[in-house]
Amino acid sequence: DAGVIQSPRHEVTEMGQEVTLRCKPISGHDYLFWYRQTMMRGLELLIYFNNNVPIDDSGMPEDRFSAKMPNASFSTLKIQPSEPRDSAVYFCASSLSGVGYTFGSGTRLTVV
Amino acid sequence: GESVGLHLPTLSVQEGDNSIINCAYSNSASDYFIWYKQESGKGPQFIIDIRSNMDKRQGQRVTVLLNKTVKHLSLQIAATQPGDSAVYFCAENSKEGTALIFGKGTTLSVSS
Repeated sequence: DAGVIQSPRHEVTEMGQEVTLRCKPISGHDYLFWYRQTMMRGLELLIYFNNNVPIDDSGMPEDRFSAKMPNASFSTLKIQPSEPRDSAVYFCASSLSGVGYTFGSGTRLTVV
Repeated sequence: GESVGLHLPTLSVQEGDNSIINCAYSNSASDYFIWYKQESGKGPQFIIDIRSNMDKRQGQRVTVLLNKTVKHLSLQIAATQPGDSAVYFCAENSKEGTALIFGKGTTLSVSS
C-alpha cells in the first residue's frame, strides 16, 4: 500500500484565496483525521470522519474551514478565504477501527 | 481539561546511550497510547503503542512503560543512534475510535 497520500506537498497562496487540500487514506481504513501542526500549538485535531461521516469537527477553527469525505478513498479540507494565520502544515491520517493511525507526509501551507 | 504533555522539550544524548523520553497525561479515562517519531519535513511515524491494561510493551530497541497511578508514559530507546534524532510525540485517546490527542513533543538529538 502506498500509505496515506496528501496533495499538494506545498501550497503558497495569497490572503483571501481559496485553498483545497486533498487526502487519500489507506484502502480499507474506516477513520480519517485532519490535523494541523504549528510551532506554537503543536498537532491539533481539526476534524475526523468514520465511514465517511464527520464525527467531531469541534477543532475546526472557524467557518472559513470546511472538510468533506465524499467516499472512502478521498477527503478534502478547504479554507475560504485563507488568512496568513492559517499558515501551517496540515496532516491527514487514517486508521482501522481507531488503532494504528498512519499519517501522510503533510501539506505545507503558506498564506502571504 | 484533557492534555498530554512531555516533561522536557529537548534531550541530547551520545550515540550508544539509552534514551528515555517522558510524557504525562491528565485524562484518567485514556486507555490507548501511542508514541510517534517525526523527522524534519515528514509526517509522524508510528513507533509503538500500549493499552491501559498493560504496563510495559517492547518493540525493536524501544520499550514503552505506562504508569496509570501517576498518569505517566515513557519511551525508552536502547543504544540510541544518530538516525533516532527526531521529535517524539506521545498521544492518547480515551475511547477506541476517537481521535488522538497529542502532546507538544520532545526533540531528541543524538551526537556521535
